[in-house]
Amino acid sequence: ETGVTQSPTHLIKTRGQQVTLRCSSQSGHNTVSWYQQALGQGPQFIFQYYREEENGRGNFPPRFSGLQFPNYSSELNVNALELDDSALYLCASSRGQGNTGELFFGEGSRLTVL
Amino acid sequence: AQRVTQPEKLLSVFKGAPVELKCNYSYSGSPELFWYVQYSRQRLQLLLRHISRESIKGFTADLNKGETSFHLKKPFAQEEDSAMYYCALLKYNTDKLIFGTGTRLQVFP
Repeated sequence: ETGVTQSPTHLIKTRGQQVTLRCSSQSGHNTVSWYQQALGQGPQFIFQYYREEENGRGNFPPRFSGLQFPNYSSELNVNALELDDSALYLCASSRGQGNTGELFFGEGSRLTVL
Repeated sequence: AQRVTQPEKLLSVFKGAPVELKCNYSYSGSPELFWYVQYSRQRLQLLLRHISRESIKGFTADLNKGETSFHLKKPFAQEEDSAMYYCALLKYNTDKLIFGTGTRLQVFP
């Protein structure tokens, strides 16, 4: 069983740039959630995708957007990067539309915005 | 507002000592609560959920609605328990987990 994989693992951008982070869900999972984890904080929910549709969103501005593809992999896009966007971005997959609370996390993409 | 509070950033104990990691929540409905753990150089993973009423790796957690708490306990800590522990609340009907800020548990030999 292949786990959740994310790419890239680390990246550095400057303010105003755009970034795309990628995630492959665990095999058999059709739901992907994205979380932002700032230093010293717990993960914060950004949004969730189920069968290619956004299925819930946290308190993040519209410059945070996402996609889910037919193979259930997903992208997180962030436009007009700000310094506060520096964080670890976690992707998590799960089975089914209803979130049972059991998420399978990737290792994350660490974004630094200068 | 829905919120999860973990008051301790760091908890240090010696091997064999009892452990209690505190978690308090604020939620208007019927909560579903979880503990996630992250061992060194590993990914975040589910440890246990309150509805299962199970013991995982010797850890248990009881939901106390009166005190709005979901503390994680283990009677005898082991060195391999050293990790970052996050308490999380499932927000009803939004498919979203609300995490606390986490507690680092250090178990000394």
